Amino acid sequence: ELQLVESGGGLVHPGGSLRLSCAASGFTFSRYAMSWVRQAPGKGLEWVSTITSSGGSTHYPDSVKGRFTISRDNSRNTVYLQMNGLRAEDTAVYYCAKGGATLLSQFDYWGQGTLVTVSS
Amino acid sequence: DIQMTQSPSSLSASVGDRVTITCQASQDISKYLNWYQQKVGKAPKLLIYDASNLETGVPSRFSGSGSGTDFTFTISSLQPEDIATYYCQQYDDLPLTFGQGTRLEIK
Repeated sequence: ELQLVESGGGLVHPGGSLRLSCAASGFTFSRYAMSWVRQAPGKGLEWVSTITSSGGSTHYPDSVKGRFTISRDNSRNTVYLQMNGLRAEDTAVYYCAKGGATLLSQFDYWGQGTLVTVSS
Repeated sequence: DIQMTQSPSSLSASVGDRVTITCQASQDISKYLNWYQQKVGKAPKLLIYDASNLETGVPSRFSGSGSGTDFTFTISSLQPEDIATYYCQQYDDLPLTFGQGTRLEIK
């Protein structure tokens, strides 16, 4: 059974840092792009980052570019999101999502999400 | 950035009704449009990909159509378990963008 399990969320002060992890199982992890998508409380979905299957290419929207870094360890079947310079507007549930073999594709499996709260 | 505009933002319908949600892209995205269902407190679930392809295991009452800038998502006969918020999402270009969501309620 395919599973994505996020961890690492919590309460952090503005300007602080946090690293999220997403452990994958049930599929050949190294063959697929992986992404992070977030959802602020009561709001819609916002794409945060994507990394290609090899890890050789990463992409971000302007809202997090320069502050967030996505990475992956294909030997551990895990994708990470390093978040620096956190702001109140980064408060959200962060979902890990499996993509396709190419950079641009649908998100066909999602984790349960991990809550990040940025507050003083 | 490609803007995705969904309508309506909320919808109330009766069990057995045919329900339609539309999604309009700010530029041509060909067929690169997905539809997701999100129930309260849960992660989104992929229902339709490439505008009209039903994801494996998704009931056939769900369908999608369209290409270019105008897309439609349909539930042919609404069931109580379909209560959720539905999102469209384009993947023609980065940044990937979602519609604002359509909240579906039972009348």
